[in-house]
Amino acid sequence: EPEVTQTPSHQVTQMGQEVILRCVPISNHLYFYWYRQILGQKVEFLVSFYNNEISEKSEIFDDQFSVERPDGSNFTLKIRSTKLEDSAMYFCASSETQGKAHGYTFGSGTRLTVV
Amino acid sequence: GENVEQHPSTLSVQEGDSAVIKCTYSDSASNYFPWYKQELGKRPQLIIDIRSNVGEKKDQRIAVTLNKTAKHFSLHITETQPEDSAVYFCAATPNSGGSNYKLTFGKGTLLTVNP
Repeated sequence: EPEVTQTPSHQVTQMGQEVILRCVPISNHLYFYWYRQILGQKVEFLVSFYNNEISEKSEIFDDQFSVERPDGSNFTLKIRSTKLEDSAMYFCASSETQGKAHGYTFGSGTRLTVV
Repeated sequence: GENVEQHPSTLSVQEGDSAVIKCTYSDSASNYFPWYKQELGKRPQLIIDIRSNVGEKKDQRIAVTLNKTAKHFSLHITETQPEDSAVYFCAATPNSGGSNYKLTFGKGTLLTVNP
């Protein structure tokens, strides 16, 4: 079964440093997403991306966040200057089409720890 | 925007008993309601979903019901087994127009099935 792949699985970074979280969506999928989950809390939408541009973003996704699809396979989330409260599990997801339920697949996540 | 409330936050049952988890949503435009199971440290995995044109859907021991008028939907697990122990999240999305299939999650229910 096709998977969404995320690297690294765990990243520790100093406060104020930049981090890049990487994702390889399923190859025929067109819509890409980032979600985050603070420990013990619910999964929260950050941003959706389609046709090489952001289609929607949440209030969490402020100026310190950016996303990019640098090539035909990778989808990255950059946090420019990390804060302690950015510590969370970050999930990438992709879907085949806007309305295709079973095409919505989450990656295994990157646990980001900001110290 | 959409707001999803989920109850209970924790649920403990004996093996073989049934478990019911309930969610309410606020946006009457929501028309797709997936349920995810998340084991500790792992990705959310879709276990069942329901669309607004259906009132009930069943898949073996798992069923979901939807009441659009009351804006609530429920997950029912029968004959629970220890391996059903996990956090369960409900979610909702309008899945139309420019929403790009953004999921709004409930806060999760920690289900513990005692042998």
